[in-house]
Parts: sequence; structure tokens; C-alpha cells
Amino acid sequence: KQEVTQIPAALSVPEGENLVLNCSFTDSAIYNLQWFRQDPGKGLTSLLLIQSSQREQTSGRLNASLDKSSGRSTLYIAASQPGDSATYLCAVSVYSSASKIIFGSGTRLSIRP
Amino acid sequence: KAGVTQTPRYLIKTRGQQVTLSCSPISGHRSVSWYQQTPGQGLQFLFEYFSETQRNKGNFPGRFSGRQFSNSRSEMNVSTLELGDSALYLCASSLSLTGGSSPLHFGNGTRLTVT
Repeated sequence: KQEVTQIPAALSVPEGENLVLNCSFTDSAIYNLQWFRQDPGKGLTSLLLIQSSQREQTSGRLNASLDKSSGRSTLYIAASQPGDSATYLCAVSVYSSASKIIFGSGTRLSIRP
Repeated sequence: KAGVTQTPRYLIKTRGQQVTLSCSPISGHRSVSWYQQTPGQGLQFLFEYFSETQRNKGNFPGRFSGRQFSNSRSEMNVSTLELGDSALYLCASSLSLTGGSSPLHFGNGTRLTVT
């Protein structure tokens, strides 16, 4: 059974720092991995999608990596800003008789001005 | 382009009642999936529809059902509501089925409270 873990559950850093969020999964049989952000009371916003055949994806100040063999993904945020404060979730789409998506519990990120 | 629209935004229901939630996907998106988000269980997959057919289903009881119309709009129905059904229900749309190359685009959800 696929499990997705995100550690730490919460992180607070000063503005301007570069930071890394972690996501681990137990089964490497995945189609893709996605990173999302969720603001309080809102839905999820897709940040990056990495296909299983890819190693990384970049968008602006964000870079996500995928290492299927070790069951790990990282989301790197450069030059953090207060507007980056949100909960970040990773999710894997898994092989099964009915393709599903499994979410981590998220990392709540707070950027201090 | 308009985003994913979910209605209503908030709902309060009583145990034993039923409820229907609505989701309008981004124009051109044929996949609509539904999720339940609670503080205790996190975000869990309910089901996915593509071209009016349910393609995938998560581990939820049969009280949770859905459908998709020819214009890709989708509805989710929960019958015989229980207190534990209180949650934020999110819908997402995509160009492809989950697992494809297209990301999920989420609505802002329907907050359901069961009393």
C-alpha cells in the first residue's frame, strides 16, 4: 500500500532564505508526482508535475526533483517571500487496477518578514 | 479562462439527510475528480470521471456517489449523512486522467457541516 510522508509538518524561516521541502513515498510504481500549495480555506494550486521518467521540473523560483529508486522528492524554493506562506502538499499517482492519487499530509510553511 | 467552480461554497445538513455538490471544470477538461479533506485523514481521493464514465474509485462507502454530464460538469451525492462526513469536498479537473501528463486544477471546495 502506497504511503506518502512529508516531514516536517511545519517550517518557519526568515524571508530571503532558500529552503527545501521533502516528500517520501513507499512504492516506486508511480505515474507521476505533483506538488501543490494550499492557502487557508482554499483549494489546491498545482505548482509542478514530474512524470515518472523525469528527474526534475522547474518553474520560476521553484524546482522539484524526483528520485523513484529512493522514493523521494524535494521541492526547492529559492529566495523565499512572505507570499510563499502556505501548506505544501505532494501527491503521487499510483499504479493500481484503478489509478488513484495519494496525498501527503503537507508541510505548513511560514515565511517571516 | 475560468477556473474550476464548485457550488455551493458552504452547506449545513442534518444527520440522515442527503446532499448534492456541483463542480464545473475548466473548459475543455474532460476529467473531473473528487476529494474529501479532513484534519484527521487529510486529503483522500473519492472518485474520478472521464467522458461521463466513472474510471476510478477510492475507498469510500457506497453512500458516496457521483456522475458526470455530457458538458463535463459533475455532481457528487452523499446519502444518509453522518457526522463524520463533515469535511471540505474538493473537485479537480484535468485534460487527462489522473496519472497522465496534465496537472490537476482544483476548485475552492464545498465546506459541508453535518449536525
